[in-house]
Amino acid sequence: NAGVTQTPKFQVLKTGQSMTLQCAQDMNHNSMYWYRQDPGMGLRLIYYSASEGTTDKGEVPNGYNVSRLNKREFSLRLESAAPSQTSVYFCASSEQVAGMSGQYFGPGTRLTVT
Amino acid sequence: GDSVTQMEGPVTLSEEAFLTINCTYTATGYPSLFWYVQYPGEGLQLLLKATKADDKGSNKGFEATYRKETTSFHLEKGSVQVSDSAVYFCALSQGWGGADGLTFGKGTHLIIQP
Repeated sequence: NAGVTQTPKFQVLKTGQSMTLQCAQDMNHNSMYWYRQDPGMGLRLIYYSASEGTTDKGEVPNGYNVSRLNKREFSLRLESAAPSQTSVYFCASSEQVAGMSGQYFGPGTRLTVT
Repeated sequence: GDSVTQMEGPVTLSEEAFLTINCTYTATGYPSLFWYVQYPGEGLQLLLKATKADDKGSNKGFEATYRKETTSFHLEKGSVQVSDSAVYFCALSQGWGGADGLTFGKGTHLIIQP
């Protein structure tokens, strides 16, 4: 039981390049989330998927797209990376009602855009 | 919108000292409240939670009580250890049916000295 896994762990991009961050969970959770963590800002929600087949914007969605590929996998895509997207990205998952169970987080992807 | 405010650090204590990390929130309705802990280089781990007023969450010697009258969820531990050094995040989620992500405070860096 691996929980929530993310790939890659580290990535360096040049401005304008694109990439996809991968996330998978093996806990049969319905809901999945992408957050970014910046110094002094805490974690901010980028996108979430309450259930397979649905996605919704969070607090900071600009510059990102997501795909809920199936119940296990939820990817985050940067189409044209910008230095402002330098951050640590965390994927999380939870049972249907997040408020009751809390969320389980992956180990993170540290992204640097130069 | 919803928000969480917590004391910013770093907070430096000696081993076996008493710990309090303050957290207050602003939210509509009846949110669920959480404390997460992040060790260096890792993702967030759920430490404890409370889903309704006057509930007390507890885990690993940490505890926090959901105080609706003061909109607070302060984290306490009676005797801290060096291994408790980490960043602690207070968070809330809109409870029933609210699979739309967590709202986090900015985090409190705790340093325990031997």
